[in-house]
Parts: sequence; structure tokens; C-alpha cells
Amino acid sequence: GNSVTQMEGPVTLSEEAFLTINCTYTATGYPSLFWYVQYPGEGLQLLLKATKADDKGSNKGFEATYRKETTSFHLEKGSVQVSDSAVYFCALIREETSGSRLTFGEGTQLTVNP
Amino acid sequence: GAGVSQTPSNKVTEKGKYVELRCDPISGHTALYWYRQSLGQGPEFLIYFQGTGAADDSGLPNDRFFAVRPEGSVSTLKIQRTERGDSAVYLCASSLTRDLDEQFFGPGTRLTVL
Repeated sequence: GNSVTQMEGPVTLSEEAFLTINCTYTATGYPSLFWYVQYPGEGLQLLLKATKADDKGSNKGFEATYRKETTSFHLEKGSVQVSDSAVYFCALIREETSGSRLTFGEGTQLTVNP
Repeated sequence: GAGVSQTPSNKVTEKGKYVELRCDPISGHTALYWYRQSLGQGPEFLIYFQGTGAADDSGLPNDRFFAVRPEGSVSTLKIQRTERGDSAVYLCASSLTRDLDEQFFGPGTRLTVL
């Protein structure tokens, strides 16, 4: 079946540090890949997505590239801010005939200190 | 505009009781999803509606769980004979159609079974 594996957390960084959160997946065919973010006290929000190999999704300074050869979709940001503190979820959709269910990773808690 | 809303935000019940969780999707969204998120885990798919019909209920853990969407808008997730293991955050999401559209998530209902 489909699965997503994220690097173990939590991750603690200082402001302006470089961020990488690793994500690898297992799926048949050609899934679409997503990063969702959950800020404290808020619902899940889509951060970025990529729908085919070599696509790069980007938003709010975050980037992730769909790497089919390594089945990866690592999240990066060059300079994190305190406001980036949240839980980040990698997810995929392998569209089945009956809908587009998301399969999520375990989540990575990011804390950015000033 | 209004996002996805869920009520109640918190529900505490006793083992063996019946509970109903409500989801109000974004107006005009035909697809509606329920997910369950246990502590420290990513959300797991429960059921998907396209319009009024449950197109995929393969994620429901057992026959104590049931969901309806009688008019193609509001959905209710129903849990009979609740067990302590049902304690989790229940998330609802909606999307415009089924085809890889962004899923917009509600804030969730935190269910605690004592």
C-alpha cells in the first residue's frame, strides 16, 4: 500500500538557520505529493505541492522537489523564522477510482527559537 | 469566506456511549473527507463522500463507525459504543471536486472517551 515516512522529530533551530525535513514515500504509479502545516491551535493548511516528477513546489520561502528516483520530497527553507514553528506533515495522493484520499506521514514538530 | 467548521470542538464521553461529530464543509465543495488523528501521529483516512454518497468507506475501523451526508453538504460522523481507543482528533476536509483539488481542513473535534 501507500506510505509516507518523515524524519523523526522534534527539530529545534535558531532563527535564520537552514531547515531540511526529510520525507520519503512508497506508492505505486505516480502519486501527487504535498506538505501540510499545522500551526498551534489551527487546522491543517496546505503549504505546497508537486504533481509530477522533478516538479518543485514552493510557498512562503519553503521548497520541495519531487524526486522519483529517490522517492523523496524533502522540505527545505533557507532561513527559518520564529513564526515557522509548527508541525509539518508530508502526504501523498494516489488517486484511486473512488477518490483522492491523503496518506500522511507522522509529522515533524519544528520549533524555532529567537 | 467561511472555511470548514466542525462541532463540537471538544467532546468528552464515557465508554459505551454514542457520539455524533458534525462537519460543515465549504459551500459548493462536493467532496468531503473524514480523517482521524491520534496523538503524535499523522491523520488517517476514514471515509470519503462525493455528494451524498459514501464513495469510499474503507478507512472506517469497524462497524461502530458510520457517517452520513444526506443533502450533500453537512456530514455527521457517528460512533456507537465508544471505546477508550477511539480517543483522537477527528478532522473533516472538503474539496471542490474529487480530482486532486486542495483539501481544506477544519479545526477538528477532540474526542476523549473516559
